[in-house]
Amino acid sequence: KAGVTQTPRYLIKTRGQQVTLSCSPISGHRSVSWYQQTPGQGLQFLFEYFSETQRNKGNFPGRFSGRQFSNSRSEMNVSTLELGDSALYLCASSLVTREGPNEQFFGPGTRLTVL
Amino acid sequence: GQSLEQPSEVTAVEGAIVQINCTYQTSGFYGLSWYQQHDGGAPTFLSYNALDGLEETGRFSSFLSRSDSYGYLLLQELQMKDSASYFCAVRDDPSNTGKLIFGQGTTLQVKP
Repeated sequence: KAGVTQTPRYLIKTRGQQVTLSCSPISGHRSVSWYQQTPGQGLQFLFEYFSETQRNKGNFPGRFSGRQFSNSRSEMNVSTLELGDSALYLCASSLVTREGPNEQFFGPGTRLTVL
Repeated sequence: GQSLEQPSEVTAVEGAIVQINCTYQTSGFYGLSWYQQHDGGAPTFLSYNALDGLEETGRFSSFLSRSDSYGYLLLQELQMKDSASYFCAVRDDPSNTGKLIFGQGTTLQVKP
């Protein structure tokens, strides 16, 4: 089975621009979560989508948004980029189970640099 | 607020045993997971504890004490390839969603 894929792998943008990142989950996984990883803050939860609906949202400003398509692929968008948005953006997919660890399968991430 | 505390760095020698601690303070608690991340790589799942006690998976074990809001990851027979960052993560939501609260990570350096 193919793993989680994310495109693009690297992006360089300037302040004020917007960016769209894409994530394709593992086949059969309907939950897709997004995390921001920075050296100072670790991994921080952005949001989760399940069956095209946002099911959870972290404490990020409204400039961060996302969506999920009927094939479970997901995109996240960041508008009006700020220098502090420079980070590794990780996407994770999982099977939905009632109990258990709900193991998250992470993609390789998109490294965003804002200049 | 929600917080998970882990040591920032740990160093050990090949063949040794190392323990990485994690204390948490979250609004809810429904399980503690551990993830490993090599430099430049994606985090990968290692273990999970929902109930108190020890879970063993090969050379790795994880322990949880809910009354102490504390857990640890134990790595035995350390190998060079174990050099990586290790994150504890709490599920604070009773629904089994994808939301996890992560600690800042512990960088483990294994020396020959």
